[in-house]
Amino acid sequence: AQSVTQPDIHITVSEGASLELRCNYSYGATPYLFWYVQSPGQGLQLLLKYFSGDTLVQGIKGFEAEFKRSQSSFNLRKPSVHWSDAAEYFCAVASMNRDDKIIFGKGTRLHILP
Amino acid sequence: NAGVTQTPKFQVLKTGQSMTLQCAQDMNHNSMYWYRQDPGMGLRLIYYSASEGTTDKGEVPNGYNVSRLNKREFSLRLESAAPSQTSVYFCASQPGQGNQPQHFGDGTRLSIL
Repeated sequence: AQSVTQPDIHITVSEGASLELRCNYSYGATPYLFWYVQSPGQGLQLLLKYFSGDTLVQGIKGFEAEFKRSQSSFNLRKPSVHWSDAAEYFCAVASMNRDDKIIFGKGTRLHILP
Repeated sequence: NAGVTQTPKFQVLKTGQSMTLQCAQDMNHNSMYWYRQDPGMGLRLIYYSASEGTTDKGEVPNGYNVSRLNKREFSLRLESAAPSQTSVYFCASQPGQGNQPQHFGDGTRLSIL
């Protein structure tokens, strides 16, 4: 069965600094991978997804993520964060089996220093 | 487009009271889900419905029941609320397959006193 780990519960960065949020997955074949963002008081919004092809995927709000099969990772990056990026970020993994469900990580809360 | 709509947004109940959380989606999606979100626990799946007329238990189904009223609507019922059910509840929908992105509502914040 697949699983996903987000090693960092909290991350604090200064506004304008670069950001990398870590995500590691466990799955025997090529997984389907997602990053979601949850702003305070709201539901989860899809930032980007990886199904196949180019291992560097672009998402909304200037985010990108890179799939590295050798490291079983799908880290989320942004070159320069804005105060509005303060939120909780969830990595998720799904298998090729349509009967399996998406598995979510426990989330990383991002704090932005002015 | 409204997407996934949850009602109510907030609710306070007393222990032992019953309550139904409503969820509706206008994207013609086949699959619908109910999650609860608690601090440090991430999202935990309560129940899901892969298609109209079917429902299945998720990771934490005890104390809850669901109804897939039609393709659009998927409700979650607490028959006898307990303080341990204080949480934020999210409904999500998905076009069909398990590996497609899910679309989330804005949540229902439920407190059980």
